[in-house]
Amino acid sequence: NAGVMQNPRHLVRRRGQEARLRCSPMKGHSHVYWYRQLPEEGLKFMVYLQKENIIDESGMPKERFSAEFPKEGPSILRIQQVVRGDSAAYFCASSPRQTGGPVEQYFGPGTRLTVT
Amino acid sequence: DQQVKQNSPSLSVQEGRISILNCDYTNSMFDYFLWYKKYPAEGPTFLISISSIKDKNEDGRFTVFLNKSAKHLSLHIVPSQPGDSAVYFCAASPSYSGAGSYQLTFGKGTKLSVIP
Repeated sequence: NAGVMQNPRHLVRRRGQEARLRCSPMKGHSHVYWYRQLPEEGLKFMVYLQKENIIDESGMPKERFSAEFPKEGPSILRIQQVVRGDSAAYFCASSPRQTGGPVEQYFGPGTRLTVT
Repeated sequence: DQQVKQNSPSLSVQEGRISILNCDYTNSMFDYFLWYKKYPAEGPTFLISISSIKDKNEDGRFTVFLNKSAKHLSLHIVPSQPGDSAVYFCAASPSYSGAGSYQLTFGKGTKLSVIP
């Protein structure tokens, strides 16, 4: 019974390159969330997606960041032209279909992005 | 503006005693609360949750108490075990539908050390 899977676990990029982070939700989960954790901070919400739909991207920086959750395949968080301030741990979470209110979100192991 | 606050960055407790982790929130729209446990280099693991219609929820050694008038919740672990040593995050969510409804807002965490 696989949990939320994220890859790569570690990613090193030079300034100006693109970073692609992948997330496969738990089996039976159709809702995906991305969070970012800076050192010594809590996790900060970025975006909430369902299949082929962005539901809430209020936490996503307006430029260089994008997310998708296609009909087939994992959810992708894409960061273009990375800068040093993008260095952080990026966590993906998933939950089952939401009915009647919030439910627990289950987190993956994270991708640690380092921008050199 | 921190909407979820964990004012103790760290806590040390003797094995077998009670651990009490505290969390305060400021947003009166929050009415669903969760505790997560996180080991280094891993994603947060869901522990226990509570809805605002309750003031207590218990699961084995873990009990969460909610004082809605004080906007305060606490996690009690009894008896504490060395394997409980981790960072504990408090998280909160509103339960209305629509934009922002399902994003979790996290505190900065409390590092618990259980001494054998």
